[in-house]
Amino acid sequence: EAQVTQNPRYLITVTGKKLTVTCSQNMNHEYMSWYRQDPGLGLRQIYYSMNVEVTDKGDVPEGYKVSRKEKRNFPLILESPSPNQTSLYFCASSSSGNEQFFGPGTRLTVL
Amino acid sequence: AQSVTQLDSQVPVFEEAPVELRCNYSSSVSVYLFWYVQYPNQGLQLLLKYLSGSTLVKGINGFEAEFNKSQTSFHLRKPSVHISDTAEYFCAVSDDSWGKLQFGAGTQVVVTP
Repeated sequence: EAQVTQNPRYLITVTGKKLTVTCSQNMNHEYMSWYRQDPGLGLRQIYYSMNVEVTDKGDVPEGYKVSRKEKRNFPLILESPSPNQTSLYFCASSSSGNEQFFGPGTRLTVL
Repeated sequence: AQSVTQLDSQVPVFEEAPVELRCNYSSSVSVYLFWYVQYPNQGLQLLLKYLSGSTLVKGINGFEAEFNKSQTSFHLRKPSVHISDTAEYFCAVSDDSWGKLQFGAGTQVVVTP
């Protein structure tokens, strides 16, 4: 089944404790992206990647890092999480000519 | 830069009644337009998309949308809603058919019997 998977689905952590949210797709898509969803703001792009080893900032990149060492994986790294990064995070992937497919989301709470 | 405005944050509607969700965008270039639906505690699912061609686009679950270039709008409609249509709906715009999406703030649809 074609899908985008994210782990973990739920995470509660404390300020400053490094964490990684994984994202994997099995559709051989070139393009992958991370969004955060906050009430009243819709989804905003954090980082994106056009292909392996090619990443770039989206609209709200501060406090986040990403890497794209393999085509299927695009982890989101929070080196020192803060409470304002409490949010619902979505990974998405697509290929040329096709719409983006979204993962199920990761709900992160930073205390 | 593109922006997307969803004019209604919440739309209450009775079962079997019609619903229209409004979406306006600002862009100086050709755009690709999308509507996504998010059911409670789930990810986003594509309802429909406009890439080119006919301005009336039909999607899944009986939804349709009309692209109006002069009014820069892409309103979503359904002639008769079901309880299961209770969800949040997001309008999105992109410069290409597969890249970065600029989302609106979302419209929460609540269907009651």
